[in-house]
Amino acid sequence: QQQVKQSPQSLIVQKGGISIINCAYENTAFDYFPWYQQFPGKGPALLIAIRPDVSEKKEGRFTISFNKSAKQFSLHIMDSQPGDSATYFCAASLQTGANNLFFGTGTRLTVIP
Amino acid sequence: NAGVTQTPKFQVLKTGQSMTLQCAQDMNHEYMSWYRQDPGMGLRLIHYSVGAGITDQGEVPNGYNVSRSTTEDFPLRLLSAAPSQTSVYFCASSSLDSLRRYTFGSGTRLTVV
Repeated sequence: QQQVKQSPQSLIVQKGGISIINCAYENTAFDYFPWYQQFPGKGPALLIAIRPDVSEKKEGRFTISFNKSAKQFSLHIMDSQPGDSATYFCAASLQTGANNLFFGTGTRLTVIP
Repeated sequence: NAGVTQTPKFQVLKTGQSMTLQCAQDMNHEYMSWYRQDPGMGLRLIHYSVGAGITDQGEVPNGYNVSRSTTEDFPLRLLSAAPSQTSVYFCASSSLDSLRRYTFGSGTRLTVV
């Protein structure tokens, strides 16, 4: 059973547009929500992360919005560029010593010029 | 500056063969884990370790063994390969602090015929 549900599976956006990827979770014990970016042939790399005590975190063109009551969080990519074309994974982690991350199913983003 | 090193990058196995996927990190991270990545299923945790001599099962451990004799190395063994184990395997490591910032290797693409 997928602990973190992610949508859409794929996304095509024009250059300069806004890309939005959504994730939802059920386990209220999750306390850390990162997003990973993966280019073809590479391993995922941490992009940005948020904790549930804040509703938004912004780093450059990337913003996470977090809705604790709805148990949802989303990644917004402003001014999307062709270089942003990659697969994006949301994830969640429990507040335990094991550090395990539970990943969503991924979104393949294509930014067309 | 190696980070997480996985070998081999590609492997083809026949059904029933065994093999070991190697993973080494040079960041002195306590936590290491193995994930498999399949289309439409995201990254699923196979096994993980929070230190030398300590391992535990993840979401999909069947058919795989791990050991952690040193902090640096975390090999994944396929005991008797099956076509269902055809996948891309990623090793990841992180420190056991609140940041939980994973560093992933570049992956091993395994095909079982």
